[in-house]
Amino acid sequence: DAGVTQSPTHLIKTRGQHVTLRCSPISGHKSVSWYQQVLGQGPQFIFQYYEKEERGRGNFPDRFSARQFPNYSSELNVNALLLGDSALYLCASSALLENTEAFFGQGTRLTVV
Amino acid sequence: QQQVKQSPQSLIVQKGGISIINCAYENTAFDYFPWYQQFPGKGPALLIAIRPDVSEKKEGRFTISFNKSAKQFSLHIMDSQPGDSATYFCACSGNTPLVFGKGTRLSVIA
Repeated sequence: DAGVTQSPTHLIKTRGQHVTLRCSPISGHKSVSWYQQVLGQGPQFIFQYYEKEERGRGNFPDRFSARQFPNYSSELNVNALLLGDSALYLCASSALLENTEAFFGQGTRLTVV
Repeated sequence: QQQVKQSPQSLIVQKGGISIINCAYENTAFDYFPWYQQFPGKGPALLIAIRPDVSEKKEGRFTISFNKSAKQFSLHIMDSQPGDSATYFCACSGNTPLVFGKGTRLSVIA
């Protein structure tokens, strides 16, 4: 059974550009959460989607948005990229709305230059 | 405001020794306490988790000790091996997104 898959694995973008990151959860999992992990820090919560509805939003600017599709896969979009957006973006899936038994993908390493 | 405080920041342990990492939290609404292991270039992997209705949980060489009154929990890695060298994160949740500590970089030396 496949785990959480994220694409792309690495990405380099220029300041001001837009980026879309993708995540496919574990089969049967309906909850997808996005986290940002800056080097040397723990992951910081960005969004949670459950059954295609936004269920939580972290302290991130409106440049960050996300959505979940009928097959429970998800996209994270970031507009007007800043140098400070450079980070590892992680997707976590869980079966329930509660964030227990959350399994992470390998992440997308975003570098903004 | 740091809701989850993790210590130490880094740890060096001899092969076969015991690694101990500590976490303290503030929010009494938290009721789920997992530990994650992360290797360079990889996403965090769920290692072991505990609920506050028990004071200890053991899975293989990994044990979580939980002190509800002190709002603290710790990860013990018995018989530490070089393959355990990684960054470990504690996290907390209570019908909320996971809140992570800043991580502990563990190095197990032969």
